Amino acid sequence: AAGVIQSPRHLIKEKRETATLKCYPIPRHDTVYWYQQGPGQDPQFLISFYEKMQSDKGSIPDRFSAQQFSDYHSELNMSSLELGDSALYFCASSLRIAGLYNEQFFGPGTRLTVL
Amino acid sequence: QQPVQSPQAVILREGEDAVINCSSSKALYSVHWYRQKHGEAPVFLMILLKGGEQKGHEKISASFNEKKQQSSLYLTASQLSYSGTYFCGTEPKRGGTSYGKLTFGQGTILTVHP
Repeated sequence: AAGVIQSPRHLIKEKRETATLKCYPIPRHDTVYWYQQGPGQDPQFLISFYEKMQSDKGSIPDRFSAQQFSDYHSELNMSSLELGDSALYFCASSLRIAGLYNEQFFGPGTRLTVL
Repeated sequence: QQPVQSPQAVILREGEDAVINCSSSKALYSVHWYRQKHGEAPVFLMILLKGGEQKGHEKISASFNEKKQQSSLYLTASQLSYSGTYFCGTEPKRGGTSYGKLTFGQGTILTVHP
């Protein structure tokens, strides 16, 4: 079965640079979520999109922005990178049925290292 | 508010059972359970949407006490492959509408030895 695809899998950036992470949800899934996970920590919700509209927002810095495109893929744009942005970034997708958000399936993640 | 998981760590021998608890201070819409191995993505185990609902998947099952805002994950006859960090993700009730946003507990590290 098709899974969530994320690219790139690894990314190394310098401080103050920008980064773009991409997510391709499972086909027919209409909702995308972004999570940030630091070493030894739980995933922290950043932002989500339903049918290309932002549906909820969490602890996402103002330096980050995201969007979902017409083909349902999503991109997380990160600017003015800081050392503390180094983490695993997961994208997850789900299918909303009858107003309910169902199980979220996670992609393999993008490991971002800021030097 | 982050749900609280207990215990923080469990060590088992193959074939033993374990229970992991997840407790929230907020009224919950749903509880999701995931298992994550080091450096990998969280893998979905199950979702509980209604109070008292119990779901099962082979030797892994879960319950959800809506009144107490608590969920428990039951692992029976553990296998080596069960090792990993288990997270509960909770979605608080907000006006009867689901937004899908999950807040994860701090995780429970489960280690199964031969």
